[in-house]
Amino acid sequence: AAGVIQSPRHLIKEKRETATLKCYPIPRHDTVYWYQQGPGQDPQFLISFYEKMQSDKGSIPDRFSAQQFSDYHSELNMSSLELGDSALYFCASSPGTYNEQFFGPGTRLTVL
Amino acid sequence: AQTVTQSQPEMSVQEAETVTLSCTYDTSESDYYLFWYKQPPSRQMILVIRQEAYKQQNATENRFSVNFQKAAKSFSLKISDSQLGDAAMYFCAYRSRETSGSRLTFGEGTQLTVNP
Repeated sequence: AAGVIQSPRHLIKEKRETATLKCYPIPRHDTVYWYQQGPGQDPQFLISFYEKMQSDKGSIPDRFSAQQFSDYHSELNMSSLELGDSALYFCASSPGTYNEQFFGPGTRLTVL
Repeated sequence: AQTVTQSQPEMSVQEAETVTLSCTYDTSESDYYLFWYKQPPSRQMILVIRQEAYKQQNATENRFSVNFQKAAKSFSLKISDSQLGDAAMYFCAYRSRETSGSRLTFGEGTQLTVNP
């Protein structure tokens, strides 16, 4: 069965640089969620989209932005990267907003 | 805002034995879901089991079962016949059915070690 695809799987950036993380949901899933998991921490909700509209917003820094495109894939754009942005970023998708969320493998971002 | 608490940072169990992981949560809502997720060393988030708050019957999935006490806001996970592959970080999570967005709120996690 198809799963959530995230790219890249690993990303290394310097401070103050920009990064773009991509998420391709399971086919026919119209809802995408982004979570950030710092080292030794639990995942923290960042933002979600339903039918290409933002549906919920969590503790996402103003330096980050995200959107969902017409093909339902989503991108998380991160600017002015800081050391503290080093984390595992998960994307999850679901068919509708009240169904099970299926997680992707995550993108590991390292900021040097 | 809802909070989820896992008071056991680490637990260990002997292979083939039973272990129970604890989780409590705080909410003013009456309609919600509770989940247990497993995160092995690969860091993949894997859904283990889920419970709808309106259901009185405790959920069961093979060797995994929960003890859901709605009044006490408690949601523990029991793993029977523990296997080496059960070793992982386990996260308890809450999701509202009353507010928009349906984000998951996670507890701090419990690292489970399975000893051969």
